[in-house]
Amino acid sequence: DVKVTQSSRYLVKRTGEKVFLECVQDMDHENMFWYRQDPGLGLRLIYFSYDVKMKEKGDIPEGYSVSREKKERFSLILESASTNQTSMYLCASHSASGFQETQYFGPGTRLLVL
Amino acid sequence: KNQVEQSPQSLIILEGKNCTLQCNYTVSPFSNLRWYKQDTGRGPVSLTIMTFSENTKSNGRYTATLDADTKQSSLHITASQLSDSASYICVPPRNDYKLSFGAGTTVTVRA
Repeated sequence: DVKVTQSSRYLVKRTGEKVFLECVQDMDHENMFWYRQDPGLGLRLIYFSYDVKMKEKGDIPEGYSVSREKKERFSLILESASTNQTSMYLCASHSASGFQETQYFGPGTRLLVL
Repeated sequence: KNQVEQSPQSLIILEGKNCTLQCNYTVSPFSNLRWYKQDTGRGPVSLTIMTFSENTKSNGRYTATLDADTKQSSLHITASQLSDSASYICVPPRNDYKLSFGAGTTVTVRA
């Protein structure tokens, strides 16, 4: 079974803090994604990566950056956390064999910015 | 503009009953349409993947239908169980990695 893990289930940070969210997948997938999920809005793509050191902006990249130094690990960085970044953050991965592949999601990190 | 509309937003059904969830989308199809189930506090898990040439696909008590001409999909849950209580998310096809996720329908099954 594919396993996608996220470093924290719950995080509480203060405004202005730098926040790191880590995601690791164990299936050698090329593609990894970071989403945020807010009530009534569905999942929105922040960034994705299709290879090591490669990244592309999603629909809402402002205020976020990412890092992919190793194939299995994709990090989301909030340089200076703000209250409007309070959300559920979900990481996902799938193989590069095409758009037909299922995305596998991690359990999510619920971030509260005070 | 939201490219995926799911209805109803939420529903409550009694255990053992059936229900149908709707998904209307406006994006142009390229890849497959997916339905995901998301339990509270968990990440989404894939239920079905349908190509736009398929009309119906089943996964146990879950049956998804797709009308690619009208850009409508439905998810039917048969003989609901308490474990079906979750949010069900429709993900219609798009021509890139930027999948559009519906806001989901929250299903509550009561004994």
